Amino acid sequence: AQSVTQLDSQVPVFEEAPVELRCNYSSSVSVYLFWYVQYPNQGLQLLLKYLSGSTLVKGINGFEAEFNKSQTSFHLRKPSVHISDTAEYFCAVSLISNDYKLSFGAGTTVTVRA
Amino acid sequence: NAGVMQNPRHLVRRRGQEARLRCSPMKGHSHVYWYRQLPEEGLKFMVYLQKENIIDESGMPKERFSAEFPKEGPSILRIQQVVRGDSAAYFCASSPEKLLGDGYTFGSGTRLTVV
Repeated sequence: AQSVTQLDSQVPVFEEAPVELRCNYSSSVSVYLFWYVQYPNQGLQLLLKYLSGSTLVKGINGFEAEFNKSQTSFHLRKPSVHISDTAEYFCAVSLISNDYKLSFGAGTTVTVRA
Repeated sequence: NAGVMQNPRHLVRRRGQEARLRCSPMKGHSHVYWYRQLPEEGLKFMVYLQKENIIDESGMPKERFSAEFPKEGPSILRIQQVVRGDSAAYFCASSPEKLLGDGYTFGSGTRLTVV
């Protein structure tokens, strides 16, 4: 079975600074990878996804992520954050053969300060 | 085009009562998925339904929990005789006929509190 580890539970960052959220996964077979964002008291919104092809994936709101197969990682980055990026971020993985079942990490809370 | 609609947004139940959570998928979506988010944890898959069929319920607790997606109307997640440990956010997602790794559209969730 696949699993996801988000290495940081809390990431405080100043406005306009860069941020990186780390995600590692384990799976013996090929997977799809996702990052979701959850704003307070809201549902999850898809930020970006990796299905195949280029390992650098660009998403909404200026976020991007890089798939590294050898390190089984899918880290999320943004070069300059805004106050509005304060939210919880979830990394998720699904098997290509069973793509409806997502396995989520425990989440990383990003707090952006002025 | 309305998104995935869940209601109620917040639900408070006393121990032993029943909780019914509703999910209306996006227009044109015939596949529904339920996930549970316990405090301080990520979402955990519960069940995958198509109209009138349960496709995969491997994440559902064996007792007290059931789900349905009738031909007409919303999908219902039903929890009988709730206990404090059922307190969580329950999210519903939907997808069109074939997911193809596109990821879900999630609703805003129902936050269940058992007192």
